[in-house]
Parts: sequence; structure tokens; C-alpha cells
Amino acid sequence: DVKVTQSSRYLVKRTGEKVFLECVQDMDHENMFWYRQDPGLGLRLIYFSYDVKMKEKGDIPEGYSVSREKKERFSLILESASTNQTSMYLCASSPWTGRLAFFGQGTRLTVV
Amino acid sequence: AQTVTQSQPEMSVQEAETVTLSCTYDTSESDYYLFWYKQPPSRQMILVIRQEAYKQQNATENRFSVNFQKAAKSFSLKISDSQLGDAAMYFCGDFQGGSEKLVFGKGTKLTVNP
Repeated sequence: DVKVTQSSRYLVKRTGEKVFLECVQDMDHENMFWYRQDPGLGLRLIYFSYDVKMKEKGDIPEGYSVSREKKERFSLILESASTNQTSMYLCASSPWTGRLAFFGQGTRLTVV
Repeated sequence: AQTVTQSQPEMSVQEAETVTLSCTYDTSESDYYLFWYKQPPSRQMILVIRQEAYKQQNATENRFSVNFQKAAKSFSLKISDSQLGDAAMYFCGDFQGGSEKLVFGKGTKLTVNP
């Protein structure tokens, strides 16, 4: 079974903190994605990566950065967390062939 | 721009009946894939059905089928013989082959009434 694992299911951070959300996949997939999910807004793409050290901005990259030093790991970084970044964050991975995405279980981040 | 539009925020259906969820997309690529994912209260995203754009035949997976209208850029999901376990958020997605970008719509919340 393909596994995409997010480091935390629930996370509470303070305003101004630097926050790391980690995602690891075990299927040697080339592509990895970070989304945030908010009621009424659906899944919005923050950043994605199609190879190690490669990254592309999604539709809402402001306030976020990413890191992909190894193929299996894709990190989302909130440099200075703000309350409007309180949300559900979902990570996904997919192979180049097949074009099929597998998702992690999500991290519900609360910034207070 | 690559966009996916789901115009029905909520839908409801009686158990054993049929329901259709709508999705339109806008992509400039010729190589793309369309998906429907289901998200139950557990939050885990589950693939329901997938359609390759170059295939004319509509995809089918048991009780789930799609109506893929390429010229109209429409990709609706039909659920037949609805079951209580079908209740979930449903997201339509578009994967562009050139950019490797995967985007989703805002979702449709499906309620199944016993």
C-alpha cells in the first residue's frame, strides 16, 4: 500500500512561530503537493514539487515556503505563523506515470 | 489558468437513488487527467474514479460512473444505488500533464438520507 504520512494530525502554534509541517511518502513518487482546506474554499494548492530541490508555486503561496531535499520528504514552512493560517493542511504525492494522487491524513493547524 | 468549478456546494439523495455531481474545468493542456475524490469525516481522501483525457470512453467503477464531455469541459459524477457510506465531501480534480500541477474544485457535500 502506498503510504503518505504527515508528521502531526493536530498542531497548535503561537503567532509568530516558525512552523514546519512534514510529509513523507514511501513509493518513490516524483511529484508532491501541499494543499490547505478551508470550508467553502475547497482544496487550494500552496506549492508543489516535481523533483528533488525543485518547487513551483501553487495558487496561494504567500506566507509559505517549502523544502524538498530528499525525494521522499516534502516540508511546508510557515516562516511566521499568523492566525489566518489556521487551517487543515493536506499533503499528496503522485508518480509521473499514472497521474494518480495519494493523500496523507491531514494536519489540522491552529495558530493562536 | 487551470481552474476547476463545482457549482453545487451541497446535494442530497435518498438511499438507493441516483445522484449526479457536476464539475467543469478549464485547462490549456492536451495531456490531462480528471479525478473524483471522496473525503469522509475521517478526512482521508479516497480516489473514486479517474479519467484520462485522451480516452473517449467514460470511466466506470462499480456504482460510480462519469459523463466526460471534452468539448464542453464537463466531468460529472453519477452515483447509482446510493448508500449511506457514500455520504462525504466530493472533490473534482484536474492533473495537467505538462506542468505536473493538480488542482481541485471547492467540493460538494453529499448527504444520503435513509
